[in-house]
Amino acid sequence: KAGVTQTPRYLIKTRGQQVTLSCSPISGHRSVSWYQQTPGQGLQFLFEYFSETQRNKGNFPGRFSGRQFSNSRSEMNVSTLELGDSALYLCASSGGTSGDTQYFGPGTRLTVL
Amino acid sequence: LAKTTQPISMDSYEGQEVNITCSHNNIATNDYITWYQQFPSQGPRFIIQGYKTKVTNEVASLFIPADRKSSTLSLPRVSLSDTAVYYCLVSTGNTGKLIFGQGTTLQVKP
Repeated sequence: KAGVTQTPRYLIKTRGQQVTLSCSPISGHRSVSWYQQTPGQGLQFLFEYFSETQRNKGNFPGRFSGRQFSNSRSEMNVSTLELGDSALYLCASSGGTSGDTQYFGPGTRLTVL
Repeated sequence: LAKTTQPISMDSYEGQEVNITCSHNNIATNDYITWYQQFPSQGPRFIIQGYKTKVTNEVASLFIPADRKSSTLSLPRVSLSDTAVYYCLVSTGNTGKLIFGQGTTLQVKP
């Protein structure tokens, strides 16, 4: 099976802009979770989507949003970018049921100038 | 979600066995224990997952005592390419929310 894919792999934006990141889960997986990784804060959970519904949410401002499509692909959007949003954004997919392992994609490196 | 505690760093030499212990005193009945490996600027890579006793796969073993308040990841005969950060997590089923700690930075020396 193909692994989790994320596009784009690298992105440079300026403050105030918005960005959309995409994640394609492993075939058959219905859950997609998003994480932000920075040197200072480590890996932090953003939100999880399961069957097109947000099932869990982390402690991030409303500028961070997401959605999931009927084919389980997911997008994450960040509006009004700030310098502090520069990070590696990771998505992970799983079957979404008890004991299922999350498998991570390679990440999207976002740099905000 | 249960919080985990693991050493911040460890050093080893090529060919040695490395054991990384993780404490999770508040683990719940339906929590699983999962270990990930991460290289710089890459996504975490799944290593092994277990619920109780011992689990072994082609890259590692996971030992979980009966009380499940701790677990030990065992990497046999490490090589330089095993230099990475290793994360121990406990996760409840039916949720995609994983809480990552600071992980253990393993440095393998020649």
